[in-house]
Amino acid sequence: NAGVTQTPKFQVLKTGQSMTLQCAQDMNHNSMYWYRQDPGMGLRLIYYSASEGTTDKGEVPNGYNVSRLNKREFSLRLESAAPSQTSVYFCASSASRVGNTIYFGEGSWLTVV
Amino acid sequence: QKEVEQNSGPLSVPEGAIASLNCTYSDRGSQSFFWYRQYSGKSPELIMFIYSNGDKEDGRFTAQLNKASQYVSLLIRDSQPSDSATYLCAVIKTSYDKVIFGPGTSLSVIP
Repeated sequence: NAGVTQTPKFQVLKTGQSMTLQCAQDMNHNSMYWYRQDPGMGLRLIYYSASEGTTDKGEVPNGYNVSRLNKREFSLRLESAAPSQTSVYFCASSASRVGNTIYFGEGSWLTVV
Repeated sequence: QKEVEQNSGPLSVPEGAIASLNCTYSDRGSQSFFWYRQYSGKSPELIMFIYSNGDKEDGRFTAQLNKASQYVSLLIRDSQPSDSATYLCAVIKTSYDKVIFGPGTSLSVIP
């Protein structure tokens, strides 16, 4: 049981390049999330998906797009990377809205130069 | 005002002492509350969740929730050096199905 798997683990991009972070969960969870974490700061919600086919903006959605491809997969796309998007990105999932544990992937370290 | 706030760190306690971590939230509609521990370079891992007013105990950890005052706390008894980590408070806003995290409090347990 892999849990939440995200790729790539490390990536260096040049300003203006695009890339997609992939995330998949094998726990049959309805909800999936993308967070970013910057030094000294907590996890900030970028986008979330309460169920297959729905997505909603979180706290810091600017510069990102997401796709909930199916129940298992939730991808995050940077269309034109900026140095301000240098961060650690975490994908997470949970079974339902209230009271269920959020499980995290191992993180993706992204550097934009 | 941030939606979820935590006491600023870093917090240092001697080994064997009680570490007290606090969290306040702004949305009265919040339903569930979580404490996560995050070691440097790792992903967060769940320590406890609580959704009813009062205390919830699990081993050396006790979570306390007071919805009227909109705060949730985590007490770590008999603190160990292995407890040194950043502790994140998380709140689920039921009406929006979002999970919001606080900025975290760094805890250092000194042997």
